[in-house]
Amino acid sequence: KAGVTQTPRYLIKTRGQQVTLSCSPISGHRSVSWYQQTPGQGLQFLFEYFSETQRNKGNFPGRFSGRQFSNSRSEMNVSTLELGDSALYLCASSREAGGEEKLFFGSGTQLSVL
Amino acid sequence: GQNIDQPTEMTATEGAIVQINCTYQTSGFNGLFWYQQHAGEAPTFLSYNVLDGLEEKGRFSSFLSRSKGYSYLLLKELQMKDSASYLCAVRDQSGYQKVTFGTGTKLQVIP
Repeated sequence: KAGVTQTPRYLIKTRGQQVTLSCSPISGHRSVSWYQQTPGQGLQFLFEYFSETQRNKGNFPGRFSGRQFSNSRSEMNVSTLELGDSALYLCASSREAGGEEKLFFGSGTQLSVL
Repeated sequence: GQNIDQPTEMTATEGAIVQINCTYQTSGFNGLFWYQQHAGEAPTFLSYNVLDGLEEKGRFSSFLSRSKGYSYLLLKELQMKDSASYLCAVRDQSGYQKVTFGTGTKLQVIP
């Protein structure tokens, strides 16, 4: 069974640009969560999607958005990039959301904003 | 909201035992996870606790006290490959049960 796949693995952008990151969950998983990881802040929750609906949202500005498709694949978009957006963006999937359902993480997309 | 605290860094000797503590405050608790993350890699699941007590899984054990908002991860017979960050995470009972992570504890195992 293939794991969680994130593309691209590395991305370099400049301030003001926008970026789209992709996440393909494990087959059969319907919940996809996105996290931003930085050395000082750890994993910060961005949002969670289930069956194409955003059900949870973290405390990030509206420049951060996402969506989920009918095949459970998810994308997140960051517009008007700022230097502080440089981070590792991790996607995690689970079959459902709740209980002891554990999260399976992808290897992440390392975004550098210059 | 949630607040999760764990030490930033720890150092331990190969073959020894180390305990990584995690304290949390949450408006609605529905389980606590421990994840391991090696540098440059994705976090991987170690353990899950939802009831008070100790869960043992090989060299790793995890303990939970819900009344104290406290958990620890115990690593026995430390190996060099255990050098990694250990992330404590709490599942919230409210909303759709999102999982919130602490900042992680970076463990260095020395010979």
